Parts: sequence; structure tokens; C-alpha cells
Amino acid sequence: DIVMTQSPDSLAVSLGERATMNCKSSQTVLYTSNNKPYLAWYQQKPGQPPKLLIYGASTRESGVPDRFSGSGSGTDFTLTISSLQAEDVAVYYCQQFYSTPSWTFGQGTRVEIK
Amino acid sequence: QVQLVESGGGVVQPGRSLRLSCAASGFSFSSHGMHWVRQAPGKGLEWVAFIWSDGSDEYYADSLRGRITISRDDSKNTLYLQMNSLRPEDTAVYYCVREDSGGYSYFDFWGLGTLVTVSS
Repeated sequence: DIVMTQSPDSLAVSLGERATMNCKSSQTVLYTSNNKPYLAWYQQKPGQPPKLLIYGASTRESGVPDRFSGSGSGTDFTLTISSLQAEDVAVYYCQQFYSTPSWTFGQGTRVEIK
Repeated sequence: QVQLVESGGGVVQPGRSLRLSCAASGFSFSSHGMHWVRQAPGKGLEWVAFIWSDGSDEYYADSLRGRITISRDDSKNTLYLQMNSLRPEDTAVYYCVREDSGGYSYFDFWGLGTLVTVSS
């Protein structure tokens, strides 16, 4: 199975400041036939189910604010919140869907307000 | 609007069985592969099982294979998860999850989940 490792485990950011978190896969998740990374990001707010934010490493799901952006390829990926809002307090998970049928998640990064 | 409503969770003794259901609405259920994902209290997300949109095949997490069965009834727009020989470590919220139908296999919609507690 591909192991997904996120860092840091938690971060505290002031309102309006940038939050950056990372995700590293134990092997590439870049599908060479279409040159697309098979990597998604999910947001889970307290007491709620996860919600899809980004797929293909950088494509925002419909309705996701543009302060959320994803980047990276191969094995290293980043999720950035450009200007943290109070409603962004959540745990963020990365997931690979390259090595199916075994979908794996990172352990999560908890984002809090400083 | 898209809805996935899980049911069937509860408190069950170790070794017993449970069947979870997920009622889907607001989309073409038969066009999507469907998953179960679980989350132990205070822990991260763990993929559990997947079934193809046409029900032709299923896949299971190694940690659960042999004890669970995923199935679907497209006439009822319902997904199921049969869980046998339950263990305390199976205690978790179980989410019904829709897979994208556009060729990718990320998870584009999640239900609210149903809590399974395995305890004597």
C-alpha cells in the first residue's frame, strides 16, 4: 500500500495569515498516461463528515473558495490556505487514489487559530 | 440535492454481526462506484470497502477482508455493509461515500455517518 504522511500534525495560524501543510506519498501517485496526480485533499470540520476540497492535486471542487489551493506532483504535495478564516478550522486529509483498489489517507493536519 | 443517509449502527457485543445501510438520493446511484470509510473515535480515516457501479466486483481493506461484505441494490438506491465477527477495534463512525463518476476515483460526497460501538 502507498503510505501517505502529512506534516505538520497541527498548526496554529492567525486569522488572515497563510496556512501551509504538506503531504508525502511513499511512491509516485502521478499517472503517466495522462500526467495527472491522483491525489485529493479533504476538509473535516468538528462533528462533520469530510468534504472534498481538491482533486488531481490542484483542481478545486466546485464551490470551494479560491483561498484554498493545491500543488505538487510525484510524491510531494502542498495544500495552502492563503488567508485563514475562522470557518477553516478543521482537520485536513490528503488521499491517494492512484493505487486502487487500496485508497489510503494521510493521518491529517489539524488547523487552529493562533 | 445529493444525500447519503447511513443507518444500522449501534452498540453490539464482540463476535456479533451488524448490517449497515446507506440510502442514496439526488443523483444517479447506479452510475457511481460506492465506498465505506470508517473513522475510529479521535482517529483518522480508513478506507473499508468498494463496489463498482454495476456491482460486478468488490474490494476490501486487508484488515477487514473475510469479515465484511459490501453490496448494493440499485432498485432501492441503497448500499449495504454486512459486518460479522465484530471486534472492539471495529468501533468507529462508518461513512457511506460516493466516488466520482468521471474516471477518477476520489471521493466526491460523504454521508453523515453511523456510529458502530463494539462493546460487551
